[in-house]
Parts: sequence; structure tokens; C-alpha cells
Amino acid sequence: NAGVTQTPKFRVLKTGQSMTLLCAQDMNHEYMYWYRQDPGMGLRLIHYSVGEGTTAKGEVPDGYNVSRLKKQNFLLGLESAAPSQTSVYFCASSYGTPQETQYFGPGTRLLVL
Amino acid sequence: DAKTTQPTSMDCAEGRAANLPCNHSTISGNEYVYWYRQIHSQGPQYIIHGLKNNETNEMASLIITEDRKSSTLILPHATLRDTAVYYCIGRGNTPLVFGKGTRLSVIA
Repeated sequence: NAGVTQTPKFRVLKTGQSMTLLCAQDMNHEYMYWYRQDPGMGLRLIHYSVGEGTTAKGEVPDGYNVSRLKKQNFLLGLESAAPSQTSVYFCASSYGTPQETQYFGPGTRLLVL
Repeated sequence: DAKTTQPTSMDCAEGRAANLPCNHSTISGNEYVYWYRQIHSQGPQYIIHGLKNNETNEMASLIITEDRKSSTLILPHATLRDTAVYYCIGRGNTPLVFGKGTRLSVIA
């Protein structure tokens, strides 16, 4: 099993550009999550999904959109990137409820100039 | 979810036990205590969790006080590879909320 994978690993964007981050898991997990981590800070939840076709807002959802068209994939979109979105983005998944153990991907480093 | 308080940083000698404290005085009866760690810039890694009883697995032990207001994560024989940020999280049926954690430095 690959676990949780994220694409791309690193990306540089100019202000106003758009991009999509892809998260994939092969563990048949129902729940998937997107977090961001700024330097010296803990992780903050952006959006999450409790199953295929569902999404919900987390702590810091503004400026991001998500989609869960397939159970194994969770996409995070930035429609118009801003320098404040420079961060490391982590995806995670869990089997059942959020009380279940979460498994994290390796992260995507995003730099917005 | 319960608010947790952890020391900002700790040092531990290699081969010794590392004891990481966490205060969660507002935890409610159905909230678990979870521990994750983040090595360098990798994704967080689950360590252990518990509700009332002490727990042990291949990575660590979790000691929860009888009143459940605090807990201690114990790494029995710390190695250099255990250097990481350790997060204590008190949660019910909601997504994880990460604080700043404790930066553990294992020293040779």
C-alpha cells in the first residue's frame, strides 16, 4: 500500500494563478482532510470530507475549494493564489469517524510570489 | 474539543526515557487524548491514544491521571530519530485540532 500520496511535492505560483493539489489514498478510508502548516505553527484544518461527494469547512477555508468525486481522491483548489497561501499543505485520511487514527501524506510545499 | 497545554521544548539524553507532559483540564468524559509527532517537515505520525486507562504500544506508553486532567507520553528509550514535535490533542467526534506541540530534542 502506498498509503496517502500528494501531488505535486513542490510548486511555485505567481499571485493570481490557480492550481489544484491532489491527494490520493489506497486504504479505502471514508474521511479525508486538508491541512496547512505555516512556519513554526501547528496544522490548521482547511476542509474535510466525510465521504464521496461530501465536503465540509474546517478552521481556515477561505480562498480554497475542494472536491471529492471519487472516494480515494480529495482535491484542494486555489482559484486565485495569494502570498498568504504560501505554506506546506498536508492531506490526511481516516477509516471511519474523525476519532479514528489519521494517516498523513508527505506534504506539498507551495510558494506564492 | 479540550484545550491542551504542553511545554514548548524539552531535551532528553539518548537512551533515557522521554516523558512529555500534557495538561487537558477541560477534557470531557467522551474525549480521547491523542498523541501525534512530526519529524522535521514530514507529515504527522500517529503515536497512541487513550480514554481513561493507561495504554502501551510498540512506540510509546500513555499515562492518564485518574481525574483525566493531564497525561504523560513516555518514550522508554529515546533515540536520535525520536527528535520531533509532539502534539497532544484532546478530542471528541470532531476533526483534529493541532496546537504548537512540544519540540523534543534527543541529545547524544
